[in-house]
Amino acid sequence: EAGVAQSPRYKIIEKRQSVAFWCNPISGHATLYWYQQILGQGPKLLIQFQNNGVVDDSQLPKDRFSAERLKGVDSTLKIQPAKLEDSAVYLCASSYRRVNTEAFFGQGTRLTVV
Amino acid sequence: GQQVMQIPQYQHVQEGEDFTTYCNSSTTLSNIQWYKQRPGGHPVFLIQLVKSGEVKKQKRLTFQFGEAKKNSSLHITATQTTDVGTYFCAGPRNQGGKLIFGQGTELSVKP
Repeated sequence: EAGVAQSPRYKIIEKRQSVAFWCNPISGHATLYWYQQILGQGPKLLIQFQNNGVVDDSQLPKDRFSAERLKGVDSTLKIQPAKLEDSAVYLCASSYRRVNTEAFFGQGTRLTVV
Repeated sequence: GQQVMQIPQYQHVQEGEDFTTYCNSSTTLSNIQWYKQRPGGHPVFLIQLVKSGEVKKQKRLTFQFGEAKKNSSLHITATQTTDVGTYFCAGPRNQGGKLIFGQGTELSVKP
């Protein structure tokens, strides 16, 4: 089966600019996650969707980050305006259901804010 | 909020030596998952433990889930250079809860 697709793979932007990331989960996976992974740290959950509804977004900096999952399939994560500390890898993952199932990760988008 | 801690942060071993990483949660977990991330790669699922006291083996890897479902360990016997990477534990506090990752243990293996 096809894996989780993410684009772009790399992005370099200046601070205060905006950027968007796209994720296409594995077909049939109801749960979709966006994680932020800063170099040397574990993935930090930003937002979790169940179909097109938000399950948890408690760690999403809502003043600058937004995410949506229209029609319960693809998802986009946006940052506007970006800060230097947003430099990280943004990982999208999906799982078949919320309960007791493994998460499949995409390759991630490496964001550098200069 | 829920926290998942891992120790050690780094481990350097000689090929053939054993390796263990420990995971501790501030809250009881409904299950614990282990992932491996190779340098430059993305996390890849290794295993899930659900029952209190559960032990699972995958070839040279042994995974344990504590009786209180608040801690877990991963033990690798006779490490190989292919074991290099960062090992993460992750768990939700409750069924359907958010999947929280530990900070990982980075394993390097010297041939």
